[in-house]
Amino acid sequence: QKEVEQNSGPLSVPEGAIASLNCTYSDRGSQSFFWYRQYSGKSPELIMFIYSNGDKEDGRFTAQLNKASQYVSLLIRDSQPSDSATYLCADRGSNYKLTFGKGTLLTVNP
Amino acid sequence: GAVVSQHPSWVICKSGTSVKIECRSLDFQATTMFWYRQFPKQSLMLMATSNEGSKATYEQGVEKDKFLINHASLTLSTLTVTSAHPEDSSFYICSARDWAHPEGNTIYFGEGSWLTVV
Repeated sequence: QKEVEQNSGPLSVPEGAIASLNCTYSDRGSQSFFWYRQYSGKSPELIMFIYSNGDKEDGRFTAQLNKASQYVSLLIRDSQPSDSATYLCADRGSNYKLTFGKGTLLTVNP
Repeated sequence: GAVVSQHPSWVICKSGTSVKIECRSLDFQATTMFWYRQFPKQSLMLMATSNEGSKATYEQGVEKDKFLINHASLTLSTLTVTSAHPEDSSFYICSARDWAHPEGNTIYFGEGSWLTVV
């Protein structure tokens, strides 16, 4: 049974700061991961996916994957109040059956 | 970009009745769609994988006779909650993979459907 662990938070950062979100996974054979953002009462929005060790950058977002440590992270630079949401890490799994963590609630304070 | 649309966005039904939720991929073909359920303050849990032209595959603990899935075309999957009960009240979300996306690993979610059974 795959497991994805996230600190539920809440993580609170001031506007303009860097928010760091972390995720660990149980299946050493897992190859790729997704980060989604979910606003309260809404469905998840894709931020990015990552499958190679190292960093992947997209605008203000940087995902990091360390397969040896079974660790995935998401950095949000220049955090904005509109970034306040729950961030979900997901293990892609086989056939794209995603296993989600419980999510980290991020609050960006103006 | 690719869009996955769900309908209805919210529905209230009486206990014992059935309700159908539709999931459409609007600008791409999806041979496979996924149905998730999310209870308040919990994460998404995969219920089943919907396969175009064949039977859905259900996750352990999900009753296939209660949650009927039909994937009759490359752009439409439906989830029918039969004989709904208050404990079925939840946020139901579908997703689909855009196989034609250049990166090939893009999974989009529909807007979700809130079901309340009274």
